[in-house]
Amino acid sequence: AQTVTQSQPEMSVQEAETVTLSCTYDTSESDYYLFWYKQPPSRQMILVIRQEAYKQQNATENRFSVNFQKAAKSFSLKISDSQLGDAAMYFCAYREKQGGSEKLVFGKGTKLTVNP
Amino acid sequence: ETGVTQSPTHLIKTRGQQVTLRCSSQSGHNTVSWYQQALGQGPQFIFQYYREEENGRGNFPPRFSGLQFPNYSSELNVNALELDDSALYLCASRPDRAGNTIYFGEGSWLTVV
Repeated sequence: AQTVTQSQPEMSVQEAETVTLSCTYDTSESDYYLFWYKQPPSRQMILVIRQEAYKQQNATENRFSVNFQKAAKSFSLKISDSQLGDAAMYFCAYREKQGGSEKLVFGKGTKLTVNP
Repeated sequence: ETGVTQSPTHLIKTRGQQVTLRCSSQSGHNTVSWYQQALGQGPQFIFQYYREEENGRGNFPPRFSGLQFPNYSSELNVNALELDDSALYLCASRPDRAGNTIYFGEGSWLTVV
């Protein structure tokens, strides 16, 4: 079974600064999807960014970008110009195929605090 | 706004009781999954339904069961509740094409006492 590891239980950043959240995963597949989800206190999982493994180019969504290192099985999230609204739990997830279905395998999360 | 709504938001049950959690997805979202998120943990996959049939299951006992209906609504049923079932239960759905974004609801907080 695939595993996802987030080694940073908590991170903090000053407003307007840049922070990087780490994620590593384990898989034997060659084609897969990786995701970063944000979970604010409202509890709803919000998709931040996704990466398709066959694409060499790192995904970018406005202030959010990833550093995808396929050989190293690393998928870090960089948040630039951090804003107070970025404060939340961030989960890295891997989409695993299971027979005829697909499921997301999540890491344990990183709690991001943004200091004014 | 993800178009996935869940009810109830919070509920408290007694050990041994049964509970039904509900989810309503967007039209065209034929795949729905349920996840359990214990406090301080990432969500864990319970099972997935496609066009009203269960087609994938995580490491959860049979007392966790589900239903999916033609109107894009679904249910998670848990029988013989245990204290460890206390968690946030998340419903997620997506359109048919592989790779499409998975949309989550806001979850149902279940407390078992």
